[in-house]
Amino acid sequence: ETGVTQTPRHLVMGMTNKKSLKCEQHLGHNAMYWYKQSAKKPLELMFVYSLEERVENNSVPSRFSPECPNSSHLFLHLHTLQPEDSALYLCASSQGRAPLEDTQYFGPGTRLTVL
Amino acid sequence: QKEVEQNSGPLSVPEGAIASLNCTYSDRGSQSFFWYRQYSGKSPELIMSIYSNGDKEDGRFTAQLNKASQYVSLLIRDSQPSDSATYLCAVKDYKLSFGAGTTVTVRA
Repeated sequence: ETGVTQTPRHLVMGMTNKKSLKCEQHLGHNAMYWYKQSAKKPLELMFVYSLEERVENNSVPSRFSPECPNSSHLFLHLHTLQPEDSALYLCASSQGRAPLEDTQYFGPGTRLTVL
Repeated sequence: QKEVEQNSGPLSVPEGAIASLNCTYSDRGSQSFFWYRQYSGKSPELIMSIYSNGDKEDGRFTAQLNKASQYVSLLIRDSQPSDSATYLCAVKDYKLSFGAGTTVTVRA
């Protein structure tokens, strides 16, 4: 596997379910990100991890819970979601060392539908 | 005011023409600027980055940056049907902020 991978690619869940999204980066990067992309809206940054420490939490509801066990893996744990949470969830990674030229590379995303 | 604004589109251009995409941003402290391309149902992929005022060319793509006017643009020369996608402008100060994207359709 190369680049940034995400599983599952598609997920349908009920509002009472608990599920997790997984992201893995094979680029040797130190920073990882979760974004939400809804139709016709800009990408919304949800969480940022740098060297496994959370450095940004953009007022995301507590029903979304991130976990970063090491610099290559990032999870997003989901519970009691709402239909408006249906979106494409994108993971990205970057070197995290050179702020000016720090480029983010995206995974393929998980298309989430909440019924 | 939105942090990053792009012309809403959709933008339709004939094959072989130049597609011109515009982006303005509100934070004068922004230092890094990126253009991503996103095909329908796919994730964004980086096509250009620019950090200094002026033009930067990469193949058929040219990015232009004017920090005084808080403006960054992307030109696609000799547009091909494979260029049909949504183009996202992203601007970074301490975090990356995205515009809503401009959808480009290249007519064969």
